[in-house]
Amino acid sequence: DADVTQTPRNRITKTGKRIMLECSQTKGHDRMYWYRQDPGLGLQLIYYSFDVKDINKGEISDGYSVSRQAQAKFSLSLESAIPNQTALYFCATSDSRQGAYEQYFGPGTRLTVT
Amino acid sequence: GDSVTQMEGPVTLSEEAFLTINCTYTATGYPSLFWYVQYPGEGLQLLLKATKADDKGSNKGFEATYRKETTSFHLEKGSVQVSDSAVYFCALFGSGNTGKLIFGQGTTLQVKP
Repeated sequence: DADVTQTPRNRITKTGKRIMLECSQTKGHDRMYWYRQDPGLGLQLIYYSFDVKDINKGEISDGYSVSRQAQAKFSLSLESAIPNQTALYFCATSDSRQGAYEQYFGPGTRLTVT
Repeated sequence: GDSVTQMEGPVTLSEEAFLTINCTYTATGYPSLFWYVQYPGEGLQLLLKATKADDKGSNKGFEATYRKETTSFHLEKGSVQVSDSAVYFCALFGSGNTGKLIFGQGTTLQVKP
């Protein structure tokens, strides 16, 4: 079984809808991240969490919110989806006890907003 | 702030050709440097890393040397295979312990038989 899982893997939604992307991990890592990938732009950090009570904005947090429900779960919400949020979204984890710099990525969620 | 710049792609090579993907960085202090690879339809996975100057990271025939004097971490492979076709990301983890990886924009490699 994968260590970092994301659901759904694909989602098509309409402008204005609220949607949630979920991430779960079985690695026991304390840190979790949400990234967005657009062609030619690499990965942009949306939010990151160092533990359940420590959540921080990344480079492009506007229009997004997150919830760290447990150490193993970190969800990303789009309150009112818009077409330019169409992208590939990745969750990642890292372990501060191991220096925290190696990140482990989920398989991604492809989101299309029409 | 910290940043990473990679050569633009796509890079198209024939099988068994030599590969170089350039990566330069801007950072204060002594960051750790990484190459991640993303195969089609998958998430990123760590390919290799170097945590101090002059370290050489290597894995699966790929190598990269941490050059502080030129602030570079170029990825090389002597003989690429079709299975190496992927997107390659250079990244740094700043010594300021912001807790964040900074990624380059990615370079697509296509290897033709």
